[in-house]
Amino acid sequence: EIVLTQSPGTLSLSPGERATLSCRASQSVTSSYLAWYQQKPGQAPRLLIYGTSNRATGIPDRFSGSGSGTDFTLTISRLEPEDFAVYFCQQYGTSPWTFGQGTKVETK
Amino acid sequence: QVQLQQSGPGLVKPSQTLSLTCAISGDSVSSNSAAWNWIRQSPSRGLEWLGRTYYRSKWYNEYAVSMKSRITISPDTSKNQFSLQLNAVTPEDTAVYYCARSVPRYLDYWGQGTLVTVSS
Repeated sequence: EIVLTQSPGTLSLSPGERATLSCRASQSVTSSYLAWYQQKPGQAPRLLIYGTSNRATGIPDRFSGSGSGTDFTLTISRLEPEDFAVYFCQQYGTSPWTFGQGTKVETK
Repeated sequence: QVQLQQSGPGLVKPSQTLSLTCAISGDSVSSNSAAWNWIRQSPSRGLEWLGRTYYRSKWYNEYAVSMKSRITISPDTSKNQFSLQLNAVTPEDTAVYYCARSVPRYLDYWGQGTLVTVSS
């Protein structure tokens, strides 16, 4: 199965700063089938990005995704207070679908 | 707006069967473009996709290899819902279980989650 490794484990930033989250795959992700999710405590994950760079419905344009092959990035251009959460990447190109272990974006 | 409402017990004894149901509103379990998934999350294993069921002129199931011998995901068209059964559970199966829709493969709508504890 494809193993996804996210870095860093924790990102300590202030509101207004830029966040750059990395997701590296153990093998190439088919057709860039890579998604990003946001999860807040006690809630289910929420889809942010699919197909590497497509924002899901209602997701603000400060969230952007990029990458290909084995290296993918989620960028939050200017952090808002509601963006402090845990972020997961997921590949859905090869069964079994797999998730990264998450990056926590916390307030500095 | 798609909504997924989970139900089922929060405590299961070791060696017994875990059973959860996910009721769908705003879409159909028989949709030709969606699939219906179960995912679980635990501190030790993170997010783990368990499997899915979907209809494309006939019903298909796909399961994670690690679950294949113990898992069944079934649609119920009369109630527009789908269910998860996981047999022979152990404490390692303790997790928050989520149902989710995928269209076609990314998970765009999730249920609220059910904490299932395996303990005697």
